[in-house]
Amino acid sequence: AQSVAQPEDQVNVAEGNPLTVKCTYSVSGNPYLFWYVQYPNRGLQFLLKYITGDNLVKGSYGFEAEFNKSQTSFHLKKPSALVSDSALYFCAVSLSGTYKYIFGTGTRLKVLA
Amino acid sequence: DTGVSQDPRHKITKRGQNVTFRCDPISEHNRLYWYRQTLGQGPEFLTYFQNEAQLEKSRLLSDRFSAERPKGSFSTLEIQRTEQGDSAMYLCASSSGQGQAFFGQGTRLTVV
Repeated sequence: AQSVAQPEDQVNVAEGNPLTVKCTYSVSGNPYLFWYVQYPNRGLQFLLKYITGDNLVKGSYGFEAEFNKSQTSFHLKKPSALVSDSALYFCAVSLSGTYKYIFGTGTRLKVLA
Repeated sequence: DTGVSQDPRHKITKRGQNVTFRCDPISEHNRLYWYRQTLGQGPEFLTYFQNEAQLEKSRLLSDRFSAERPKGSFSTLEIQRTEQGDSAMYLCASSSGQGQAFFGQGTRLTVV
């Protein structure tokens, strides 16, 4: 069965420190990988995606993610966290040639001033 | 605003009533999706349209749920005889080809 795991329900980080939000996946075939962010009572905002090519993907708001095929991971990173980064982050996977996402359960990021 | 638009943003209904939600996708997107998100969970896929054709329905979508996309533009999601377990955020998304999906702000349904 295809699945996405976000092992941490919550991540706390001090403002200015680097942050990492973890994601691992289990799919057959070649995955397309995505990160979305959700603010309270809002829809999902696209941050970045990996389709093919360079394993390090840069996205919106200074975020980046590294695709690691051997570890089946796609961790989200940012060199210097901002208080405004505090939100709920979702990792998602879709199979190439398909059209629906499988989402993780989300990780709440709290950036402390 | 040229993003995905959903209406209403909030809906409170009594158990047993019917409700209908509307989604207006980004105009050039031919793919439209509905997802449901409950508290503490990631969004779960409900159904998918390519143009006006409904190509897949999740097992989550019981017979009380129906979705349409007449003329391949806006879409509606109807829930008949609502139950308390239907309380959730209903998200609509659209995309073109294999690009990422763009999500609307969702309709929060509360069944009392």
